[in-house]
Amino acid sequence: AQKVTQAQTEISVVEKEDVTLDCVYETRDTTYYLFWYKQPPSGELVFLIRRNSFDEQNEISGRYSWNFQKSTSSFNFTITASQVVDSAVYFCALSDPRGYGQNFVFGPGTRLSVLP
Amino acid sequence: SAVISQKPSRDICQRGTSLTIQCQVDSQVTMMFWYRQQPGQSLTLIATANQGSEATYESGFVIDKFPISRPNLTFSTLTVSNMSPEDSSIYLCSVVEDGSYNSPLHFGNGTRLTVT
Repeated sequence: AQKVTQAQTEISVVEKEDVTLDCVYETRDTTYYLFWYKQPPSGELVFLIRRNSFDEQNEISGRYSWNFQKSTSSFNFTITASQVVDSAVYFCALSDPRGYGQNFVFGPGTRLSVLP
Repeated sequence: SAVISQKPSRDICQRGTSLTIQCQVDSQVTMMFWYRQQPGQSLTLIATANQGSEATYESGFVIDKFPISRPNLTFSTLTVSNMSPEDSSIYLCSVVEDGSYNSPLHFGNGTRLTVT
């Protein structure tokens, strides 16, 4: 069975600090996809990134970066120089290639609070 | 990406009543998904709504409690029937935009339901 673990329930940082959100996944599939979503206080879920299991290159997008390590089944998310607007719940998710969106498994989420 | 509109954005309802949530997408999509997010929890898939066929429900969710309509490729409704306080949650509509395997899910802004 697929599973996503986000061990950090809540994190608080002061603005401009760097913060890393951990994501560990379990799957028996050799092909799979990993995602990160942001849910600000307003409630909508915003897609941030998708990574497939064959692409272990790290990705950087502005202040955001993602570190995918297959050897440790981890897909961690780092925010550099955090800002108050980064305050949100962040979800890591895993899907397999057997469907068109039916097979997403979401982690429990990490609530990030960035204090001014 | 697709623009997904949900109505209402929030509601407070009395126990025993029913609420119908509408989801409108600005482009045609094959599959639409309904998720529930209980307070402080992650997302749980309720059902997959396909146009022209009955919705497919996940374990623990039944049609009598969560009837779904999908009259065309841009619209769906979810009804929460005979509500109890345990139904207080955020309900989210989502779609896979281009129908390819493991495209990211895109979400509406959610309906925040409180049952008193």
